[in-house]
Parts: sequence; structure tokens; C-alpha cells
Amino acid sequence: AQSVAQPEDQVNVAEGNPLTVKCTYSVSGNPYLFWYVQYPNRGLQFLLKYITGDNLVKGSYGFEAEFNKSQTSFHLKKPSALVSDSALYFCAVRNNFNKFYFGSGTKLNVKP
Amino acid sequence: SQTIHQWPATLVQPVGSPLSLECTVEGTSNPNLYWYRQAAGRGLQLLFYSVGIGQISSEVPQNLSASRPQDRQFILSSKKLLLSDSGFYLCAWGTGAGGELFFGEGSRLTVL
Repeated sequence: AQSVAQPEDQVNVAEGNPLTVKCTYSVSGNPYLFWYVQYPNRGLQFLLKYITGDNLVKGSYGFEAEFNKSQTSFHLKKPSALVSDSALYFCAVRNNFNKFYFGSGTKLNVKP
Repeated sequence: SQTIHQWPATLVQPVGSPLSLECTVEGTSNPNLYWYRQAAGRGLQLLFYSVGIGQISSEVPQNLSASRPQDRQFILSSKKLLLSDSGFYLCAWGTGAGGELFFGEGSRLTVL
């Protein structure tokens, strides 16, 4: 079985500070991992993915994520947060049958 | 370029009434199609998954059904809505082969 866990319901950070949103995964076989962002009453927008290759993946809007196989983690990071980054963030894993399973989401609050 | 459309955007229905939510994809052929439900603005639950016309995989037993009458059309239905069917329904498409999912803007259903 495959699953992802986002241990933090909410993350608060000041504008200009670095941010990290945590994700751990459980999957049999090679992991296919994704991060999405959701603004209120909107669909999810794709940020980045890890399929294979470099452990540090760069994505949209200055976000990046680090794949750590030994810790089974795929944390989302950004060096300098913006107020406009405030949103709901989802980690997801894809299984061998192309089904995607999402974490419970982490609300990011960036304060000016 | 590919686009995905969902409608209606919002819907208020009485308990016991039928439901039909529609999703169409443009600019691609033979997509994998997905229906998710998001309750209380948080985690996404995979409801249905389809790899082709007439091929539907149901993830959880429930009051809903899905159909795929055409290659790029995916319909979510119910014969009799329950209060617990309220939520934000998201359609998504993907190509498989390690690719990400692309989401529609969602349909908010309120059952009274």
C-alpha cells in the first residue's frame, strides 16, 4: 500500500524567512512524489515532482523539494517566503497503477 | 494546449435528489481520468479512476457512481443524494508514465 503523511496541519512563517512543509511517504517500489498547491475554492496546481535523478527538485514559484530515501521524506522548501505563498499544500504519491494518493494538506500562513 | 473543464461550479441540492457533475478534457487523447472529493477544505479522497471508455475503478463503496461515455468525458452521478455527499469535487487528468495530474477548478456541492 502507498500513503503520504503531512504531520503539520499548519505552518506559520514570517515573510522573507525560509519555509519547510513536511511530507513522509510509504510506498512499495520506486516512489513517484508530487507537491501541489491549492488556493481557496480552486483546483490544485502542480508545483513539482520527483520521479528519479537528483534528490533536489526545483519547481514553480521558487519552490523546491528534497527527496530523502533513507528517511522516506519529500519536504517542500522555499528560501524566502512571500505573503502570496499562503495557501494549502498537498503532498502526493503515485502507485504503479497510476493512482494518486494525497496527504491531508498543510496550511501555510506567511505573515507580513 | 490541454484544458480541463468542470461544471457546474456550485450546486445546492436537496437530500434524495439526483446528481450529475461533468468533466471534459481538451487537447489530449486517451487520458487517465480521476474524481476526488475534498471534505472540509482538507484531504482529498480518490473516488473513481478511469483508463478508458467504460473502464471505471471505484475506490470506496459509496452513494456515487461514475461513467466515461466518451474518451475525454467523465461524469459523476448519484441517484439519491445524502447529506454526507456534500463537498468539493475535483476532476483531474493525467497521461500516466510518471506524469503529474492536472486538476479542474472543482464543483462545490451542498446537500440540504
